[in-house]
Amino acid sequence: AQSVAQPEDQVNVAEGNPLTVKCTYSVSGNPYLFWYVQYPNRGLQFLLKYITGDNLVKGSYGFEAEFNKSQTSFHLKKPSALVSDSALYFCAVRAGSGGYNKLIFGAGTRLAVHP
Amino acid sequence: EPEVTQTPSHQVTQMGQEVILRCVPISNHLYFYWYRQILGQKVEFLVSFYNNEISEKSEIFDDQFSVERPDGSNFTLKIRSTKLEDSAMYFCASKNDGETQPQHFGDGTRLSIL
Repeated sequence: AQSVAQPEDQVNVAEGNPLTVKCTYSVSGNPYLFWYVQYPNRGLQFLLKYITGDNLVKGSYGFEAEFNKSQTSFHLKKPSALVSDSALYFCAVRAGSGGYNKLIFGAGTRLAVHP
Repeated sequence: EPEVTQTPSHQVTQMGQEVILRCVPISNHLYFYWYRQILGQKVEFLVSFYNNEISEKSEIFDDQFSVERPDGSNFTLKIRSTKLEDSAMYFCASKNDGETQPQHFGDGTRLSIL
């Protein structure tokens, strides 16, 4: 069965420092992976996706993610964190094939960026 | 940029009552979804809908739940005879055609069952 793990409940980083939010996955077949961000009282906002091709994927707001097949990981990164990046981040994998397939989410990681 | 809109933002209902959560997906999208997030827990899939029928539903989506696309713009989730444990944030999502397209989410409806 497909699953996603986000091993850290919270990540703390100082503004200007690089950040990493970790995600590992378990799927049968090729993984379609996504990162979403959730700000307070808002829905899930799409950041980036990995489908195929380059292992480093660039997304919105300066975020990028590195796909590592051997480690079954898809870590979210940003070279220089902003206070405004503080939010809840969800990693997700698409379950199965077919255009309608559901997303399976990790438990989420709260990112706190301190001035 | 087009958005998925959900109404109401907060719904308070007595246990046992019926509730309808409403969503307007992005206009050219073809796939529609409902997810829920119980406070402090994961976002969980409820149901997917395509071509006017349910494509997949989770074990949570029992006979108490139903979905409908009554016209070309709205997508609704109905919960009959609500229970305390139905209290959660309910998210609607929609997706364009194509396997690699991401799902776009609304801001959610917070459902509180008293």
